[in-house]
Amino acid sequence: TQLLEQSPQFLSIQEGENLTVYCNSSSVFSSLQWYRQEPGEGPVLLVTVVTGGEVKKLKRLTFQFGDARKDSSLHITAAQPGDTGLYLCAGVSNSGYALNFGKGTSLLVTP
Amino acid sequence: KAGVTQTPRYLIKTRGQQVTLSCSPISGHRSVSWYQQTPGQGLQFLFEYFSETQRNKGNFPGRFSGRQFSNSRSEMNVSTLELGDSALYLCASSFSGPSYEQYFGPGTRLTVT
Repeated sequence: TQLLEQSPQFLSIQEGENLTVYCNSSSVFSSLQWYRQEPGEGPVLLVTVVTGGEVKKLKRLTFQFGDARKDSSLHITAAQPGDTGLYLCAGVSNSGYALNFGKGTSLLVTP
Repeated sequence: KAGVTQTPRYLIKTRGQQVTLSCSPISGHRSVSWYQQTPGQGLQFLFEYFSETQRNKGNFPGRFSGRQFSNSRSEMNVSTLELGDSALYLCASSFSGPSYEQYFGPGTRLTVT
């Protein structure tokens, strides 16, 4: 199994602050996906990164895929309460038929 | 476009019983994946089906099984329930597989007493 480690596990910040969460593995992934999950709902896909070194921006969220395709980061600028949720990274397995998820970073943004 | 639906949303079962959960994917999606989510282990892959064929299976005991029908709807079954099977069971559909954009349902919350 290709394991993904996410850090930090929990993060509590105030509105307007910046933050970065990390997703690391010893395995190489063909692509990596980031999801956000809110209580009582299923995860929602935010972005997929495919190329080593790739950077994708989604409004205030910036996603980066490591050059070696073993790690990724998510940076949020000027966090808002609406960003609160569980952020999950997931790597596509070598078979292409399974996603291996990290345990997630639980983010709380207070006004 | 209607989203992924899962039924039932909540379920309480007794240890030793069996349970069947249902998932209806987005229209046109042929891949359905199942995941178990618990606070301790996070989201763990159970299995993935495409056009009624299981293409991959996670590291779960044989008590966990699934199937997919010709209309792409999927069911998963857990036999001889154990307390540790209490979890949120999520299904996700995609056009051709997990490497593409997946859409998750709201999940079925299973409690085993």
